[in-house]
Amino acid sequence: GAVVSQHPSRVICKSGTSVKIECRSLDFQATTMFWYRQFPKKSLMLMATSNEGSKATYEQGVEKDKFLINHASLTLSTLTVTSAHPEDSSFYICSAKTGGTDTQYFGPGTRLTVL
Amino acid sequence: AQSVTQPDIHITVSEGASLELRCNYSYGATPYLFWYVQSPGQGLQLLLKYFSGDTLVQGIKGFEAEFKRSQSSFNLRKPSVHWSDAAEYFCAVDNSGGSNYKLTFGKGTLLTVNP
Repeated sequence: GAVVSQHPSRVICKSGTSVKIECRSLDFQATTMFWYRQFPKKSLMLMATSNEGSKATYEQGVEKDKFLINHASLTLSTLTVTSAHPEDSSFYICSAKTGGTDTQYFGPGTRLTVL
Repeated sequence: AQSVTQPDIHITVSEGASLELRCNYSYGATPYLFWYVQSPGQGLQLLLKYFSGDTLVQGIKGFEAEFKRSQSSFNLRKPSVHWSDAAEYFCAVDNSGGSNYKLTFGKGTLLTVNP
């Protein structure tokens, strides 16, 4: 149980285009989802927290207009990287939790490469 | 500043040997503490967590961790390492006391297991 999937696992796009990454909780309802960014040899950096049906809460320094997060249902959250640039290339990971637990369950991540 | 430190970037052990991965945190109160493991192509998997109570916690795959308040540490241990334990290990802290579930991660320790 507690499986989280991400799609796509890898994406390559041209600079200036937008990319959408999906995060799904497959066997539980995720009241809260988190989006992280992981740089090589670095820890995961929390980008934003989203509660179903509410606007996402972004961490300091994360551009909300660039990283659009939607959590429209209890099983799906999306991260859209708008007008992507090479410096946005990274590994993006989502996690999800239900209301009755303190544990986050992580997706396998999405490798974004912006050319 | 609040932080999570994993002093060892890379550790190599022989199969069957014991293992200890170090984690130190700098927070005022007792935070919620977690250890996650990340294998290539897979999401972070929770090994164990500490919220309160017995300071020695048992996790999955034969791992255990001990919370030491005086040392602000939460070191991960395994008495006998298996080749399948080779992965990246992350220590994480939720210093909100479970109120917002935001995790701060260390930079990770890469474990290599020699046959």
